Amino acid sequence: DQQVKQNSPSLSVQEGRISILNCDYTNSMFDYFLWYKKYPAEGPTFLISISSIKDKNEDGRFTVFLNKSAKHLSLHIVPSQPGDSAVYFCAAEGLRGAGGTSYGKLTFGQGTILTVHP
Amino acid sequence: EADIYQTPRYLVIGTGKKITLECSQTMGHDKMYWYQQDPGMELHLIHYSYGVNSTEKGDLSSESTVSRIRTEHFPLTLESARPSHTSQYLCASSERASYNEQFFGPGTRLTVL
Repeated sequence: DQQVKQNSPSLSVQEGRISILNCDYTNSMFDYFLWYKKYPAEGPTFLISISSIKDKNEDGRFTVFLNKSAKHLSLHIVPSQPGDSAVYFCAAEGLRGAGGTSYGKLTFGQGTILTVHP
Repeated sequence: EADIYQTPRYLVIGTGKKITLECSQTMGHDKMYWYQQDPGMELHLIHYSYGVNSTEKGDLSSESTVSRIRTEHFPLTLESARPSHTSQYLCASSERASYNEQFFGPGTRLTVL
C-alpha cells in the first residue's frame, strides 16, 4: 500500500520553461511534506518543504503547492535549467506514534525523472 | 553544508559474507536513519535511531542490524549477505525528530553475487 505516489515516472521540459512535478498522498495524518532532488550515484538533497498549515512555499526558482482537500502537492521550477535534470522525490511526515511524535519518519514517493533540454 | 559520509561507496561481495556499511556525520545530530532503495523505486526506512544506545526498526523489514554507540556513527551490518540484499543503502541524519529535513549521505551501492 503506497501512501505517497508520484504517478509520472518522467518529465521532459525545455530550458527556461516551467517544470511541474506532482505528488499524491493517501494518509490524512501526513502534515509535513518535503521535496528532494537526487543525482545518480549521490544521496538525495533537500530542496523545499511545506507544512500542512500552508498552501504555498517559495524558495527562489522552487515553489511547492499543497492542496490538502485533494491530498496533492506539486513542485514548480521556474525557469527550468539543464542542471535541474535529476530524480525528484516527494516525501511526507506525520504518522504519529505515542505522545504525538512522528520521530521524523519519512514516507517517499517513487520519484520522477526530470530532464531539462537546452 | 551537510557533512555525512558513507563507506564504501560501492561493494561487490559473495554470498554468505559478513559486511558492515559505515555511516558518520559531523553535525552532532541525534537522529539518524538508514534507507534502502532499489532502482526506480521509493526509499524505504529500514532503521532509525534517536540517539546513543537507541535503535528501532523501520517500516521495511530488513535482515540487517544497526548500532549507535557514538552520536556520530551509525553502522549497518549484514551477518550473511545474500543476492536479495543487493540494493542501494542511504544513511541520513537530522537535527530534530520532526518537521525538519534529513541530510543524506552519498549512499553505498551493494551487489551480492
